[in-house]
Amino acid sequence: ETGVTQSPTHLIKTRGQQVTLRCSSQSGHNTVSWYQQALGQGPQFIFQYYREEENGRGNFPPRFSGLQFPNYSSELNVNALELDDSALYLCASSKGTSGGGDTGELFFGEGSRLTVL
Amino acid sequence: GDSVTQMEGPVTLSEEAFLTINCTYTATGYPSLFWYVQYPGEGLQLLLKATKADDKGSNKGFEATYRKETTSFHLEKGSVQVSDSAVYFCALTQYNFNKFYFGSGTKLNVKP
Repeated sequence: ETGVTQSPTHLIKTRGQQVTLRCSSQSGHNTVSWYQQALGQGPQFIFQYYREEENGRGNFPPRFSGLQFPNYSSELNVNALELDDSALYLCASSKGTSGGGDTGELFFGEGSRLTVL
Repeated sequence: GDSVTQMEGPVTLSEEAFLTINCTYTATGYPSLFWYVQYPGEGLQLLLKATKADDKGSNKGFEATYRKETTSFHLEKGSVQVSDSAVYFCALTQYNFNKFYFGSGTKLNVKP
């Protein structure tokens, strides 16, 4: 069983640039959630995708956008990067009609560390 | 809105010591409660969960009881090991498992 994989693992951007982060969900999972984890903080919910449709969004501006593909992989796009966007971005997959599926369990990737200079 | 508060770390213990990490929550309705753990160099993984009041979640010697009257879900282990060194996150979600609210994490260091 292949776990959740994210790419790239690390990247550096400058203010105003755009970034795309990618996530492959675990086999059998149809739901992907994205979280932002600032240094020393817990993960903050950005949004969730279920069967290619957005299924909930946290308190993030519209310059944070996403996609889910037919194979259930996903992208997180951030436009007009700001210094405060520097964080670890976590992707989590799950199965079922809701984010946690039958068990309420999220399966996390190791994250993409974004630094904005 | 919903939120989770957990004790600040780091917590440093000797091997075989008793562990408690406090977690309290604010939520409407009847949330499900979770503990996730992040070992060095790895992604977060579910440690245990409880979906209704008075439920006890347990795994790998860790336990936590869902206390609605005190809105708490404290994590305990009777005898910690060096391999338990990690960051522990308390979290909650509502019935649709859509959005998880995480605490800020508590780093545990266990010394031999």
